[in-house]
Amino acid sequence: NAGVTQTPKFRVLKTGQSMTLLCAQDMNHEYMYWYRQDPGMGLRLIHYSVGEGTTAKGEVPDGYNVSRLKKQNFLLGLESAAPSQTSVYFCASSTWTGGGEQYFGPGTRLTVT
Amino acid sequence: KQEVTQIPAALSVPEGENLVLNCSFTDSAIYNLQWFRQDPGKGLTSLLLIQSSQREQTSGRLNASLDKSSGRSTLYIAASQPGDSATYLCAVQTGANNLFFGTGTRLTVIP
Repeated sequence: NAGVTQTPKFRVLKTGQSMTLLCAQDMNHEYMYWYRQDPGMGLRLIHYSVGEGTTAKGEVPDGYNVSRLKKQNFLLGLESAAPSQTSVYFCASSTWTGGGEQYFGPGTRLTVT
Repeated sequence: KQEVTQIPAALSVPEGENLVLNCSFTDSAIYNLQWFRQDPGKGLTSLLLIQSSQREQTSGRLNASLDKSSGRSTLYIAASQPGDSATYLCAVQTGANNLFFGTGTRLTVIP
């Protein structure tokens, strides 16, 4: 099993450009999450999904959109990138919320200039 | 809002030493607490998960304890090795989908 994979690993965008980050998991997990990690701030939840076709906002959702069209995939979109979105983005999945262990992908390092 | 604090931010120890990493949280109404390891430029690897009803979990040289009433958890690493060098993060889960992370302790084990 590959676990949780993320594409791409690195990306540089100019302000105003758009992009989509792809997360895939092969563990048949119901729950998937997108986090961002910034120096000195820890990881913060952007959006999450409790199942195929459902998404919800986390702590810092502004400027991002997500979609969960298939159970194994969770997409994070930036419609108009801003320098404040420079960060490392992590995807995670778990079997159930409220107690399930979260498994993380390797991360995507995004720089917005 | 839940706040998670990890002290110290960085720690250096000689190889073979036993050590303790600390995590504190402000709201004791948690589902679980999870300890992760993060190597530079890498993702997070789950080390131990303690459910709110448990007091401790062990895996190999690692032992994590949880005291919900005082809002504290410790990660004990026995006989540290250079390969243990990494950043250790704790996270508490509150509510349905809220996982709150500390900013981590960067551990260096000196050969």
